[in-house]
Amino acid sequence: EPEVTQTPSHQVTQMGQEVILRCVPISNHLYFYWYRQILGQKVEFLVSFYNNEISEKSEIFDDQFSVERPDGSNFTLKIRSTKLEDSAMYFCASSGVGGSYNEQFFGPGTRLTVL
Amino acid sequence: SQQGEEDPQALSIQEGENATMNCSYKTSINNLQWYRQNSGRGLVHLILIRSNEREKHSGRLRVTLDTSKKSSSLLITASRAADTASYFCATDQAGNQFYFGTGTSLTVIP
Repeated sequence: EPEVTQTPSHQVTQMGQEVILRCVPISNHLYFYWYRQILGQKVEFLVSFYNNEISEKSEIFDDQFSVERPDGSNFTLKIRSTKLEDSAMYFCASSGVGGSYNEQFFGPGTRLTVL
Repeated sequence: SQQGEEDPQALSIQEGENATMNCSYKTSINNLQWYRQNSGRGLVHLILIRSNEREKHSGRLRVTLDTSKKSSSLLITASRAADTASYFCATDQAGNQFYFGTGTSLTVIP
């Protein structure tokens, strides 16, 4: 069964450093998403991406964040200068035709720890 | 905020009993989805119900949607210890954003 994969599973970085979180969505999906979940809190929407551009973003997704689909398979989230409060689980998701009208498939997440 | 809110926040039941979780939201939606999350793990999609549907079944899961009350319920029948997890509802809005609720933590005691 196709699945969304994410790498690395755990990333530790120093405050102020740049990190890139990687995701491989399901191959025939067209819509891609990033979410984050701070420990013990709810899952928060960050950004959705379709047709090689951002279609929606939340207030959390400020200038420190960027997304990219550098090739036909990867979808990345870059945090330019990490802060302590960026420590969270980051989940990638993808969905097929219809976007949010249909099920989103989530990856296992990347745990980001900012020291 | 358009986020879904689940209640109860925590639920503890004996194996074999039914578990009911509720979700309320604030704006009109196209669909509502329920997800399960085991501790420290990713989100597993359980069921999607569209705004023009009132009830949906999948195995031991039954979901209802009342758009007039902006609420949904998830019923898990004949619960098992393996059902222990957090359950979240997620609602969409115009565009491609999803809002997750705070979740219900379900513990099924063997």
